[in-house]
Amino acid sequence: EVQLVESGGGLVQPGASLKLSCVASGFTFSDYWMSWVRQTPGKTMEWIGDIKYDGSYTNYAPSLKNRFTISRDNAKSTLYLQMSNVRSEDTATYYCTRVMYTLDYWGQGVMVTVSS
Amino acid sequence: EIVLTQSPTTMAASPGEKVTITCRASSSVSYMYWYQQKSGASPKPWIYETSKLASGVPDRFSGSGSGTSYSFTISSMETEDAATYYCHQWSSTPFTFGSGTKLEIK
Repeated sequence: EVQLVESGGGLVQPGASLKLSCVASGFTFSDYWMSWVRQTPGKTMEWIGDIKYDGSYTNYAPSLKNRFTISRDNAKSTLYLQMSNVRSEDTATYYCTRVMYTLDYWGQGVMVTVSS
Repeated sequence: EIVLTQSPTTMAASPGEKVTITCRASSSVSYMYWYQQKSGASPKPWIYETSKLASGVPDRFSGSGSGTSYSFTISSMETEDAATYYCHQWSSTPFTFGSGTKLEIK
């Protein structure tokens, strides 16, 4: 069974950094592109970016490119999202997704709240 | 950035009623993708490449369209179909989502 389990969220102050993790199981992680998508409290969905199966290429939403970094460790079947200089508008639920013919599997999501 | 405009924002349908949701793109896209999200749950893939049903999706659902105009249809509404549906374009980065259509049962 495919599972994606995010962690690392919580309450963080504006300007701080935070690293989210997503542990994958039930499939060969190194065979798939992966992506991050976030959903604001108002339910707006935003694509953050994706990463090639071997980690050699990443793609980002231009509005987030300078502050967010996606990486992966295939030996640990883990996807990461490094967030820096966070702002209140980064408050959202963050999902990791597997990329295939669609975003075919989603994690349960991890909540990030940016507030002083 | 391609903006996806979904309509309606919310709607209610009776069991057995036909439901149609539209998604208009600000520029042409190759395909449209649709996701279903129920309250408190993660989104699920529902329709991909405009008209193909994801695994486990009942055949009362269908999708169609091309270019800048796409639609999502339920031929006969069932109680379990109450959810929010999002369209999503994967043709041009940044990939974008519609604002969602909340579908309720009457």
